[in-house]
Amino acid sequence: DIQMTQSPSSLSASVGDRVTMTCRASQSIRRYLNWYQQKPGKAPELLIYAGYSLESGVPSRFSGSGSGTDFTLTISSLRPEDFATYYCQQSYSTPRTFGQGTKLEIK
Amino acid sequence: QVQLQESGPGLVKASQTLSLTCSVSGGSISSGGYYWSWIRQHPGKGLEWIGYIFYSGSTNYNPSLKSRVTISVDTSKNQFSLKLSSVTAADTAVYYCAIDRYNASSGHAYFNSWGQGTLVTVSS
Repeated sequence: DIQMTQSPSSLSASVGDRVTMTCRASQSIRRYLNWYQQKPGKAPELLIYAGYSLESGVPSRFSGSGSGTDFTLTISSLRPEDFATYYCQQSYSTPRTFGQGTKLEIK
Repeated sequence: QVQLQESGPGLVKASQTLSLTCSVSGGSISSGGYYWSWIRQHPGKGLEWIGYIFYSGSTNYNPSLKSRVTISVDTSKNQFSLKLSSVTAADTAVYYCAIDRYNASSGHAYFNSWGQGTLVTVSS
């Protein structure tokens, strides 16, 4: 199985901040990497697919980058509704695997 | 936009079989390019992929659960189902059905639609 490791596990930031979180794969997954946002009590929602493609309807303040084993999700200017947990997920192979999540909290 | 809705018992006794159904609306389960998937999330934890089924009936399961999992599809009802046998307390989780949308030309796949999730508790 491909292991996905996210860092940090939690992050405190303020509205308006620029935030970056990372995801590392245990082997190269090229650009087969997706990012999701999950709010408490809700299902995850797709933000970014194929490494950097923005899902329809997702604000442009979200962006993804990286390839191979190292990936980043950046939020350019935090809004109150962005405080949530973010997961990366590889679709290079099965079993599909997710990172353990980065919880973004209000400072 | 295709919508998904899980249904099934919220309480299952240990050693019995967990059974859930995902009803698909706004689209046909026979559409190509979709893998109809199950994912679970233990309380306060991360996400675990259980497996998926293609409308033709071909399946792919997580090896960690493969011996206990069956995913099936009923195209006439536009539904797909999950059965997990011999459950224990470790199977207590929120279970999501989701669409793993697959782009054959690029090879990329991503979960672009999710059900709301249903909590299944395994009791002793």
